[in-house]
Amino acid sequence: DVKVTQSSRYLVKRTGEKVFLECVQDMDHENMFWYRQDPGLGLRLIYFSYDVKMKEKGDIPEGYSVSREKKERFSLILESASTNQTSMYLCASSFSLAGSVGQETQYFGPGTRLLVL
Amino acid sequence: KQEVTQIPAALSVPEGENLVLNCSFTDSAIYNLQWFRQDPGKGLTSLLLIQSSQREQTSGRLNASLDKSSGRSTLYIAASQPGDSATYLCAALNDYKLSFGAGTTVTVRA
Repeated sequence: DVKVTQSSRYLVKRTGEKVFLECVQDMDHENMFWYRQDPGLGLRLIYFSYDVKMKEKGDIPEGYSVSREKKERFSLILESASTNQTSMYLCASSFSLAGSVGQETQYFGPGTRLLVL
Repeated sequence: KQEVTQIPAALSVPEGENLVLNCSFTDSAIYNLQWFRQDPGKGLTSLLLIQSSQREQTSGRLNASLDKSSGRSTLYIAASQPGDSATYLCAALNDYKLSFGAGTTVTVRA
């Protein structure tokens, strides 16, 4: 079974703090994704990565950065947390079929619920 | 930009009734359409993936259909059980990107 783990289930941070969210997958997947989920808005893609040290912006990258130094690990960084970044953050990974990103199903971690005060 | 809509936002049915969940999308140039289940406070679990060349996929009591030309997908759950209570999300894949609907929250009453 594919396993995607996230470093924390719940986090409480103060405005202006630097926040790191970690995601690890154990299936040697090429692609990794960070989403945020807000009521009524569904999931929105923040960043994704299709290879080590590669990253692409999603729909809402502002206020976030990412790091992928190893294939199994994808980190989301909030440089200076703000209250509007309070949300559920979901990490996902997927296998690449014939070099095409995202044509296989994505496997999700359990999520990190972040509260910024 | 792909827009995915799920109506209704919530649904409550008695145990044993068949469930019909609707998903519509605006851009028909999709690679696939996926259905996920999400339990409260948890991540997403993949249920079914329909490739753009397919019309439907089945897994146990679940059946999903896809009509690309009309921009619609439907998830059918036969003989619902209380354990089917969850939020169901559909997502359409264009290029690399999955676009999600906001979900339909299902409650199955025992």
